[in-house]
Amino acid sequence: EPEVTQTPSHQVTQMGQEVILRCVPISNHLYFYWYRQILGQKVEFLVSFYNNEISEKSEIFDDQFSVERPDGSNFTLKIRSTKLEDSAMYFCASSEGQYYGYTFGSGTRLTVV
Amino acid sequence: GDSVTQMEGPVTLSEEAFLTINCTYTATGYPSLFWYVQYPGEGLQLLLKATKADDKGSNKGFEATYRKETTSFHLEKGSVQVSDSAVYFCALIPAGGTSYGKLTFGQGTILTVHP
Repeated sequence: EPEVTQTPSHQVTQMGQEVILRCVPISNHLYFYWYRQILGQKVEFLVSFYNNEISEKSEIFDDQFSVERPDGSNFTLKIRSTKLEDSAMYFCASSEGQYYGYTFGSGTRLTVV
Repeated sequence: GDSVTQMEGPVTLSEEAFLTINCTYTATGYPSLFWYVQYPGEGLQLLLKATKADDKGSNKGFEATYRKETTSFHLEKGSVQVSDSAVYFCALIPAGGTSYGKLTFGQGTILTVHP
């Protein structure tokens, strides 16, 4: 069964450093997403990406965040200057269509110290 | 705005017991409804879905019926197993073409099944 692959599985970074979280979506999928889950809390939407541009973003997704699909296969989330409160599990997902439901990756646990 | 409310957890059951996890939603029109499951240390997996009123989604012995009149999508299983221990999330994608498939999640319900 096709998978969404995320790397690394765990990243520890110092406050103020830049991090890039990487994802390889399923190859024929058209919609791409990032979500995050702070420990013990809800899964929160960050951003959706379609047709090589951001289609929607949440209020969490401020100027410190950016996404790219640099080469038609990878989908990255960059946090420019990490804060302690960015510590969370970050999930990438992809979907064939808007109402199909997604396939999620297994997540990257980001710890900011 | 759109929202999903799940029953408070955690839920603890003995093996072979009947499971219900309640989920209600607030949204305009006819959203698509989903249940996702997160096993310990893993990501989110789509368990089942329903895209229109009265649809029943089912998978691995789990079922949920889309009830427009009560805005509910309760998850049920007739006989749970230890391997069903996980966190269960109810979620929706709004109707209409402006959401680009954004999922809104409930808070999750922890299920623990004892032998």
